[in-house]
Amino acid sequence: QVQLVQSGAEVKKPGASVKVSCKASGYTFTSYGISWVRQAPGQGLEWMGWISAYNGNTNYAQKLQGRVTMTTDTSTSTAYMELRSLRSDDTAVYYCASGASLWDAFDIWGQGTMVTVSS
Amino acid sequence: QSVLTQPPSASGTPGQRVTISCSGSSSNIGSNYVYWYQQLPGTAPKLLIYRNNQRPSGVPDRFSGSKSGTSASLAISGLRSEDEADYYCAAWDDSLSGSWVFGGGTKLTVL
Repeated sequence: QVQLVQSGAEVKKPGASVKVSCKASGYTFTSYGISWVRQAPGQGLEWMGWISAYNGNTNYAQKLQGRVTMTTDTSTSTAYMELRSLRSDDTAVYYCASGASLWDAFDIWGQGTMVTVSS
Repeated sequence: QSVLTQPPSASGTPGQRVTISCSGSSSNIGSNYVYWYQQLPGTAPKLLIYRNNQRPSGVPDRFSGSKSGTSASLAISGLRSEDEADYYCAAWDDSLSGSWVFGGGTKLTVL
């Protein structure tokens, strides 16, 4: 079936980087894009950015420009999100979600990856 | 502070009809589609309504969406206990370089 499976929980120190993976199956990976959405504990959803699995084009949330990089590996149908210079307020569950294009619904969601930033 | 405004909570008894509002502006809801997501406790969000009022396959017709101007609403009829969840509205925002914006979420309690 169509699914996105994310990598496991991470604990990082302030200033470090984290790279979360999202492996797609059950559909043609390059026909869709992947958005990343995060949710701080007890808070709402925040869109981080989007990458086209077709050509690698990206669109990042202005707030995260310069700290986030999204990439894909079409040979393994996997998307990656790297966040650098981590701060305590980056502690959140990070979700990947597929969509037909940058402006389309997030159809399928990964299970989420908890990233904890703590000294 | 979320760009889209939702009531923090809503409630109803089984069988009732409840509505959840979502207010935005001309740069988001006023000019783009509205989407609704349901997040059951401890799980990832799930697409509930797309393009203002369309239901993905598998979503019961008890759920419906509407949009007027810069506001939108989600209606749930025949409320069931399993509908207890957080509900989020979302829309593309054309301001600056563009981005997706969400409401702060509405926690629905089935009494």
